Amino acid sequence: KQEVTQIPAALSVPEGENLVLNCSFTDSAIYNLQWFRQDPGKGLTSLLLIQSSQREQTSGRLNASLDKSSGRSTLYIAASQPGDSATYLCAVDRGSTLGRLYFGRGTQLTVWP
Amino acid sequence: GAVVSQHPSWVICKSGTSVKIECRSLDFQATTMFWYRQFPKQSLMLMATSNEGSKATYEQGVEKDKFLINHASLTLSTLTVTSAHPEDSSFYICSARVVRGGRSTEQFFGPGTRLTVL
Repeated sequence: KQEVTQIPAALSVPEGENLVLNCSFTDSAIYNLQWFRQDPGKGLTSLLLIQSSQREQTSGRLNASLDKSSGRSTLYIAASQPGDSATYLCAVDRGSTLGRLYFGRGTQLTVWP
Repeated sequence: GAVVSQHPSWVICKSGTSVKIECRSLDFQATTMFWYRQFPKQSLMLMATSNEGSKATYEQGVEKDKFLINHASLTLSTLTVTSAHPEDSSFYICSARVVRGGRSTEQFFGPGTRLTVL
């Protein structure tokens, strides 16, 4: 069974800091890994998707890396802003035809001005 | 592209009534749709997986007679909470994906439906 863990559970930082959110998974046989953002009471917004053959993906101030062999991924947020405040979830796809995702519990990020 | 909508966005109902939630993929055809529920400050819990034209696959512990799922077309799946009770109050989120070449692709999520059962 795939278990996904995210550390830290919560993070509160001043604006401008560079941040690292961590995600680990127990079964390295994954197809891809996705990072999502969830605002309170809202659905999920996909931020980055890393295929198992890739090492990292970048989008604007976000950079996600993947080390499949060690079962880890990190989401790096550069120059954080108050608008980045949200819960960040990582999820792994084992690549079955069903395509279900296994989610971590998320990191609740607060960026204060 | 890749927009998934849900309707309604919130619903309040009396205990014992049934509630239907719709999930639509607006600009693509989804071979598979997923239904999740999320309790406050918890992650998403997968309830069931539905493929168009076939019966849904429910996760262990999810009552299929209570949570009826219909995936009648490649763009629409519905979740009906039958005889809802206060413990069914939760945030329900659907997602949709396309399967190409026998492998799954990126999953896109709806905005969620907040169900409150009085």
